[in-house]
Amino acid sequence: SQQGEEDPQALSIQEGENATMNCSYKTSINNLQWYRQNSGRGLVHLILIRSNEREKHSGRLRVTLDTSKKSSSLLITASRAADTASYFCATDANTSYGKLTFGQGTILTVHP
Amino acid sequence: GAVVSQHPSWVICKSGTSVKIECRSLDFQATTMFWYRQFPKQSLMLMATSNEGSKATYEQGVEKDKFLINHASLTLSTLTVTSAHPEDSSFYICSAPGSYEQYFGPGTRLTVT
Repeated sequence: SQQGEEDPQALSIQEGENATMNCSYKTSINNLQWYRQNSGRGLVHLILIRSNEREKHSGRLRVTLDTSKKSSSLLITASRAADTASYFCATDANTSYGKLTFGQGTILTVHP
Repeated sequence: GAVVSQHPSWVICKSGTSVKIECRSLDFQATTMFWYRQFPKQSLMLMATSNEGSKATYEQGVEKDKFLINHASLTLSTLTVTSAHPEDSSFYICSAPGSYEQYFGPGTRLTVT
């Protein structure tokens, strides 16, 4: 399956700053999800945005979706050192529920 | 929330041997489960779809005779890496779809020496 692109590949910021990660994908989707993965660990589901939604919030997270551009962004506000992790977007295509295609990921480092 | 477990969490095996990884949905039934592989510093790649009561569906480039998948029950799927080689060393993660999101297992780290 083709993978989406994420940028930046790596992002280094200071605690308290905002972090923005972008994701692009190639096919029509049912929804787009964002996950966090701490080094060598499993995935943590952060937020899901459906194809008919444009923006969604959850705590310090804000996700946007532009289906015309096939892109999404994840904004983490007021970052904390504990936010240090890899972040992946994943798309659930129209044709196969539950079968996710992951982006390349962004490695976020938040310095205390 | 729904929980998916994997066993073992890590395993080291010798080249040429086979290793079985279990994926269980603990509090819900899953007629479909997915197996992903993640190499170091890379993203997750879908390997195959495990279907209860029928054969698994493999993604392009994944050898079905090497990665045997058995969906033994509505709560259990197994992935067996046969004749393992060092290049099979990876992080294997399973998932099961819920009504709202995918539920991922914690992953199994396989090291083939």
